[in-house]
Amino acid sequence: DGGITQSPKYLFRKEGQNVTLSCEQNLNHDAMYWYRQDPGQGLRLIYYSQIVNDFQKGDIAEGYSVSREKKESFPLTVTSAQKNPTAFYLCASSTRTALVVGYTFGSGTRLTVV
Amino acid sequence: AQSVSQHNHHVILSEAASLELGCNYSYGGTVNLFWYVQYPGQHLQLLLKYFSGDPLVKGIKGFEAEFIKSKFSFNLRKPSVQWSDTAEYFCAVNQDYGGSQGNLIFGKGTKLSVKP
Repeated sequence: DGGITQSPKYLFRKEGQNVTLSCEQNLNHDAMYWYRQDPGQGLRLIYYSQIVNDFQKGDIAEGYSVSREKKESFPLTVTSAQKNPTAFYLCASSTRTALVVGYTFGSGTRLTVV
Repeated sequence: AQSVSQHNHHVILSEAASLELGCNYSYGGTVNLFWYVQYPGQHLQLLLKYFSGDPLVKGIKGFEAEFIKSKFSFNLRKPSVQWSDTAEYFCAVNQDYGGSQGNLIFGKGTKLSVKP
């Protein structure tokens, strides 16, 4: 079945450590996105990539980094510079044509800083 | 700044009550509109979408939404809710530039709790 796989589902990190969240899709979508979900805040865009080897900052990119070396993969690194990293992280993908039918979302990774 | 507003943070209804969740956006120009649902412990799923044509859009599970361009609104409705509709609902909008689209911007979400 086509879809988006995020791993791990739960992640614990010590303060001061970097951690990388995985996102893989087999939908042949060009565009991929990372959102952060906090209670009462909705979804806020961290980074997005419309094409391989290219990505742009979203609304809350500080303290995060990404790469897009393959069409299928868009990993997100939460660095020690991110002051409040505990959150639920969602990866999504979409086509780029005008007939896009919205985004397909992964099941998310819950990151907790301990 | 471009934004999406959902009027209610938490709505509590009894089964069989009617539902209307408000959504307003602040973009000018052509937009695409979406409602997503997140059931407890599950990932976001698309409920319905509007690109063009009939402004009354029907989605899955008996939900519908009406696009009123003059009011910049895209309210979600269901005539009779069920306990299984308990979830968080997100309105989302992106700008349509013809051959491409802007990023999807989400509202803050509305939690719906349906009492059996």
